[in-house]
Amino acid sequence: SFVLTQPPSISVAPGQTATISCEGINIGHYDVHWYQQKPGQAPVVVVYDDSDRPSGIPERFSGSHSGNTATLTISRVDAGDGADYYCHVWHSRADQHVFGTGTKVTVL
Amino acid sequence: QVQLEQPGAEVKKPGASVKVSCKASGYNFLDYFIHWARQAPGQGLEWMGWINPKSGGTSSAQKFQGRVILTREKSMSTAYMELSGLTSNDTAVYYCARAPGYGRAYCGADCYLDFWGRGTLVTVSS
Repeated sequence: SFVLTQPPSISVAPGQTATISCEGINIGHYDVHWYQQKPGQAPVVVVYDDSDRPSGIPERFSGSHSGNTATLTISRVDAGDGADYYCHVWHSRADQHVFGTGTKVTVL
Repeated sequence: QVQLEQPGAEVKKPGASVKVSCKASGYNFLDYFIHWARQAPGQGLEWMGWINPKSGGTSSAQKFQGRVILTREKSMSTAYMELSGLTSNDTAVYYCARAPGYGRAYCGADCYLDFWGRGTLVTVSS
């Protein structure tokens, strides 16, 4: 089955840049979406179609992908960015939507 | 405003079935797919399937095929997810979420979840 692997956790100081990877075979061929989930809440999309942001999401959130890795970058991190983040793709060959394993971002 | 209303909780015994509802409001129910995903305690998200409210067409994860049924009632703007053969491993929060349809029959590429319900905690316990 198609697996999207993310680092379980990362830590970042306020004002610095957080980089979250999502690895999957040929993920560069797929549209990648990213969700933020805070404790006890439903997920919220922060980036869709690789690099687009929904209205209301700060420009500090950006996405990119190439080869076997997609990346969510959060610039100028603040305390409110502490959350779990998940990548998501539709794997065309398997006709399955797949979520990444998730990354917990801790703001120091 | 957009809302996806789900019941707060369900308790079921092993071997039983659960049917979770997702009532949409604040937008045209027929213009967006409804997806279902679940999250076991302390775990990540797991995609279960989607339904096209306009056509009734569905797609489900291989893991749940034969055990999950996705339906909708257009007149009530409500989607349903029924999961049978419950075990303790099915204890989780079950979310519905909508995805823009773009007038398509199928939710594949560029299909992202732009709004989520608050989730229904399903507990399976004897």
